[in-house]
Amino acid sequence: EVHLVQPTAELKKPGESLRISCQGSENKFNKFWIGWVRQMPGKGLEWVGIIYPFDSDTRYSPSFEGQVTISADKSINTAYLQWDSLKASDTATYYCARSVTSSGSAYESWGQGTLVTVSS
Amino acid sequence: IQMTQSPSSLSASVGDRVTITCRASENINKYLNWYQQKPGKAPELLISGASTLQSGVPSRFSGSGSGRDFTLTLNNLQPEDSATYHCQQSYTTPLSFGGGTKVEIK
Repeated sequence: EVHLVQPTAELKKPGESLRISCQGSENKFNKFWIGWVRQMPGKGLEWVGIIYPFDSDTRYSPSFEGQVTISADKSINTAYLQWDSLKASDTATYYCARSVTSSGSAYESWGQGTLVTVSS
Repeated sequence: IQMTQSPSSLSASVGDRVTITCRASENINKYLNWYQQKPGKAPELLISGASTLQSGVPSRFSGSGSGRDFTLTLNNLQPEDSATYHCQQSYTTPLSFGGGTKVEIK
């Protein structure tokens, strides 16, 4: 069974940068797509974007393009979600999830989520 | 693609049958998935491809539909089914989710 491991929480101030990680537990990690999903407090799920760690092919939601950067390091089975300058409105739980394709397949395995809190 | 889910919440009794609907703003064939999310936990995949039940998911859950209109049905509602249910289209990127349906047990 594939496990996706994420840090539990991050506390940052507005204007600070942040990179959160999603590490897979098996070598096949690089042969799947890793998506990122935002859930603001008490709200629904929002698709941020997706990456194929094997070649770093990346797609973004128009709502998030330019606001975040998705990357991956296939040598350590890890995908990342990064902000250069956080805003209070970035406060949310961010999940990574695995799918077989960029579209056409479901997210069959999820990380436990990283709660990002941005507060002065 | 916009996904409209209804109702946003419902309350039902143990043993009831519950139906949640999800409508896509355009044809998504059968690329519709359903997830269950319990408080403080990550979503879990229940149904993919509109109607394929994932391994380990109780048979009281079922999904149907194609094109734009889809349904998640929970038969014989159990206390452990109290959760929020999300639909998601995986027809094309950007992928998108419905607003969620919170199911409470009376």
